[in-house]
Amino acid sequence: KNQVEQSPQSLIILEGKNCTLQCNYTVSPFSNLRWYKQDTGRGPVSLTIMTFSENTKSNGRYTATLDADTKQSSLHITASQLSDSASYICVASQRGSQGNLIFGKGTKLSVKP
Amino acid sequence: GAGVSQSPSNKVTEKGKDVELRCDPISGHTALYWYRQRLGQGLEFLIYFQGNSAPDKSGLPSDRFSAERTGESVSTLTIQRTQQEDSAVYLCASSPGLAEYSEQFFGPGTRLTVL
Repeated sequence: KNQVEQSPQSLIILEGKNCTLQCNYTVSPFSNLRWYKQDTGRGPVSLTIMTFSENTKSNGRYTATLDADTKQSSLHITASQLSDSASYICVASQRGSQGNLIFGKGTKLSVKP
Repeated sequence: GAGVSQSPSNKVTEKGKDVELRCDPISGHTALYWYRQRLGQGLEFLIYFQGNSAPDKSGLPSDRFSAERTGESVSTLTIQRTQQEDSAVYLCASSPGLAEYSEQFFGPGTRLTVL
């Protein structure tokens, strides 16, 4: 069954600290892996997209890694800011799916002052 | 505006009523997607359009759900005889091509509450 599992379910950190969110996927055949940020009451916004041949991709303070062999990805947030408080969603795309993306349930991150 | 817009932003209805949700994609985007997000759950794929045709309707949960797209632009998602389990946020996304390779741009969603 194609699915995406994320951990932890929720996380609280202090402003300025770093954190790492985890994602495991069982999607086959695999095409690409995305991370989205979803603020409360808003639609998801894309942070990174990585194909199976890419190991890491950065977007400002966000760095995503991908290990296609172990089917694991992580999102590292550096020097967190209050505005990073949001849900972070890991999404896997199946090759040939023509758009049916498989979404994880997200990790809810709270950054406290 | 330059982004995906959805209307209404909130909809409260009584069980058994029909509702229609609207999505205006980014101009020029050929692909359009509808998702459902229940509280505390991940996004659930409903249907996608390539142009005005819907090659994949596999995610529609029942025959009470239908969607159409006209003029390769606006799309409407219709839910007939709403049930309480239909309560969720309905998100629309558009992309310049098929989402397997293209970035999806999401609207703010319509929050549907069925009493």
